[in-house]
Amino acid sequence: AQSVTQLGSHVSVSEGALVLLRCNYSSSVPPYLFWYVQYPNQGLQLLLKYTSAATLVKGINGFEAEFKKSETSFHLTKPSAHMSDAAEYFCAVSDHYPGRRALTFGSGTRLQVQP
Amino acid sequence: NAGVTQTPKFRVLKTGQSMTLLCAQDMNHEYMYWYRQDPGMGLRLIHYSVGEGTTAKGEVPDGYNVSRLKKQNFLLGLESAAPSQTSVYFCASKPGDGNQPQHFGDGTRLSIL
Repeated sequence: AQSVTQLGSHVSVSEGALVLLRCNYSSSVPPYLFWYVQYPNQGLQLLLKYTSAATLVKGINGFEAEFKKSETSFHLTKPSAHMSDAAEYFCAVSDHYPGRRALTFGSGTRLQVQP
Repeated sequence: NAGVTQTPKFRVLKTGQSMTLLCAQDMNHEYMYWYRQDPGMGLRLIHYSVGEGTTAKGEVPDGYNVSRLKKQNFLLGLESAAPSQTSVYFCASKPGDGNQPQHFGDGTRLSIL
């Protein structure tokens, strides 16, 4: 069975500081990995996805993530935080069952950006 | 382009009442999913469907039923609501099999008293 672990349920950074949100996964096969962002009272919006074409994946709003197979990690980073980045972030792995492809989510990390 | 639309957005029920949550997508997607979101637990899969007329159980299906009579709609039913079903429910869809991301609706916040 697949699983996703997000270290740190809450992360607080200053505006302009580096954002680092951690995600570790377990999967018996090469994973399909995603990062989603959820703003208050909204649904989940795709930030980026790992497609195996490149280990460094660039997403929207200046976010990127690096896939490291040896560490089973897919950490999300942004060089300079903006107030509008305050939200909850979810890492997810897709299962490999043909005819299902459901997502298993981490428990989420709430990002707070201080002025 | 509406994407995935969920109705209602909010609902309060009494224990034992029944209701149906509606999910509609206008992207001609084959696969559709229902998840529930609880604090500190991320999202968990309730039921899913890979095409019109097909449904299957996810990880937390007890107390819920689903139907997919039309390709664009995926209904989630609670036959006899329980306080443990208080949650935020999200519907998602994707084109089909493979690595495409899922598209999510804005959720239905459901409280069971």
